[in-house]
Amino acid sequence: QVQLQESGPGLVKPSETLSLTCTVSGGSISPYYWSWIRQSPEKGLEYIGYIYYTGSTNYNPSLKSRVTISVDTSKNQFSLKLSSVTAADTALYYCARLSASYCSSTNCYNSAFDIWGQGTVVTVSS
Amino acid sequence: DIQMTQSPSSLSASVGDRVTITCQASQDISNHLDWYQQKPGEAPKFLIYDASNLETGVPSKFSGSGSGTDFTFTITSLQPEDIATYYCQQYDSLPITFGQGTRLEIK
Repeated sequence: QVQLQESGPGLVKPSETLSLTCTVSGGSISPYYWSWIRQSPEKGLEYIGYIYYTGSTNYNPSLKSRVTISVDTSKNQFSLKLSSVTAADTALYYCARLSASYCSSTNCYNSAFDIWGQGTVVTVSS
Repeated sequence: DIQMTQSPSSLSASVGDRVTITCQASQDISNHLDWYQQKPGEAPKFLIYDASNLETGVPSKFSGSGSGTDFTFTITSLQPEDIATYYCQQYDSLPITFGQGTRLEIK
């Protein structure tokens, strides 16, 4: 069955860039949508954005100016970069498959996060 | 953004009880709602899609209903393994948003 695994530094300094990678195993990264979600006591579960295997993306407007999600189909991986981090970006970061019939710029139809990675804690601190 | 409000925030119930959680959307989202279960130390698990349809393999003791702005999630005959936090999530419009969660405990 499809499994997801997040990897990346657990500690990032303020103002630097958080970088995480999600490796998809047991299945192909195409033709699906893939997402990053984070969880903190302050904000609960927060959608960061998605990427389609073709490379099209959607980002949460609250993070859009700082977020980049990319995909490497040859490695069956997708990645998250979040720039200019502050303590407010300290959270448990999950990658997840967004099962959707179709996503436009405003909607994802018949969608759900049906497969999740185990999550990785990222702390922003000097 | 569409705001999702769950109630109660926490709930204590006895084994065998029927438990109901509500989720209210800040605007009409039709049936574009999913439910998740998150056990301590684990990632969320997808349970219900389109407000009332069980994901494959999810026990029938879980159910969901509702449309528009008001939704419910029910567990019949609560068991110790059901102890978790439950979240609703809308996908009617981007950004996708989650409720704040309902923490379920055993009395």
